[in-house]
Amino acid sequence: RKEVEQDPGPFNVPEGATVAFNCTYSNSASQSFFWYRQDCRKEPKLLMSVYSSGNEDGRFTAQLNRASQYISLLIRDSKLSDSATYLCVVRRDTGRRALTFGSGTRLQVQP
Amino acid sequence: GAGVSQSPSNKVTEKGKDVELRCDPISGHTALYWYRQSLGQGLEFLIYFQGNSAPDKSGLPSDRFSAERTGGSVSTLTIQRTQQEDSAVYLCASSPTGAGEVTDTQYFGPGTRLTVL
Repeated sequence: RKEVEQDPGPFNVPEGATVAFNCTYSNSASQSFFWYRQDCRKEPKLLMSVYSSGNEDGRFTAQLNRASQYISLLIRDSKLSDSATYLCVVRRDTGRRALTFGSGTRLQVQP
Repeated sequence: GAGVSQSPSNKVTEKGKDVELRCDPISGHTALYWYRQSLGQGLEFLIYFQGNSAPDKSGLPSDRFSAERTGGSVSTLTIQRTQQEDSAVYLCASSPTGAGEVTDTQYFGPGTRLTVL
């Protein structure tokens, strides 16, 4: 079983739609959580960190459920420019500090 | 300011040759990471440098892979006797402290696309 699991998609949604991505992680030692965005043939870029209380950045809302080891990302009012692969990422804060990535969920926003 | 830079951007080599990939982290960043991304796969951790500490090499797939970081800045990833399965995009990232707090964001370079024929 992979340490971070995501639905690979693709999610095909019309402009203006609301879309939600889910992610589960298996290592309870994971302490920091992130969503990264990766455009085709580009490097990953941090979209947002995920805080225990949940957090919002404009049209993007991230939630964390430590008990269920579950992370979500909600995108409201989708734009064409949101089309990308969204990577769920966890990190242990002891020992190895490297990031563990999910395989990503691909989003295609259509006009 | 300048981000993480990597060179070369593309490298084509023949099976059995050695290759060196270079990473210049963001100035002042203490921690440096190497990952690779194979076609259609997620990112896979390779090695992590944190200040003057011994590197965490636990992600290196074989002893053909090695990396060093000179002067706490530039890093070189070396792959000896390359194999076709080494073909991937090799990504370098750096972060300010490597201390693991949620604000210690990792910033990625553009990657080196390695093709082994």
